[in-house]
Amino acid sequence: DTGVSQDPRHKITKRGQNVTFRCDPISEHNRLYWYRQTLGQGPEFLTYFQNEAQLEKSRLLSDRFSAERPKGSFSTLEIQRTEQGDSAMYLCASKEREGKNEQFFGPGTRLTVL
Amino acid sequence: AQSVTQLDSQVPVFEEAPVELRCNYSSSVSVYLFWYVQYPNQGLQLLLKYLSGSTLVKGINGFEAEFNKSQTSFHLRKPSVHISDTAEYFCAASSGGSYIPTFGRGTSLIVHP
Repeated sequence: DTGVSQDPRHKITKRGQNVTFRCDPISEHNRLYWYRQTLGQGPEFLTYFQNEAQLEKSRLLSDRFSAERPKGSFSTLEIQRTEQGDSAMYLCASKEREGKNEQFFGPGTRLTVL
Repeated sequence: AQSVTQLDSQVPVFEEAPVELRCNYSSSVSVYLFWYVQYPNQGLQLLLKYLSGSTLVKGINGFEAEFNKSQTSFHLRKPSVHISDTAEYFCAASSGGSYIPTFGRGTSLIVHP
């Protein structure tokens, strides 16, 4: 399978715990995007990378959210001190370089904070 | 910044009937428009996109959409739906080189036998 993969697919955690999600993009794609999707809403952009550089992070929801892509391949999204309001689907997408506007989405990680 | 409005949260329709899902975006120069489909517990799959050129865009699974600049609309249509088309449909718009799309809230298409 050469699509975007995300791990885990489901995560249940208690309020106050830290969680980390992983995204593996399509191998030749150098741009990687993170979104949050809450019930009944469309995906909401969080941050994106071009290779290992994080080019936009002002839309991360709070300073409890952080993302990395250290080697320009896979990426991780971490949420510290989770809150019940963080419960959502977290989607990752990747795309080729400029001129190719289609993003390919992974299956998402569903987070439930108890 | 772009905003996208999907006017219908839910559209019920009978199998083999035609369907139109409506989408309006805020006016912008050089806007790119997309329709995605999302099946339960899955990521989004691109149905079609408008980047430039012909205003009538054909996509996968028999869907098409028409870009209407004067009405700032990009409605999705299918002449005859199947049960398997039951899913959530998202319209998205972006402008500028960073390609950060803004998504609408989604329209749930429910196809009844």
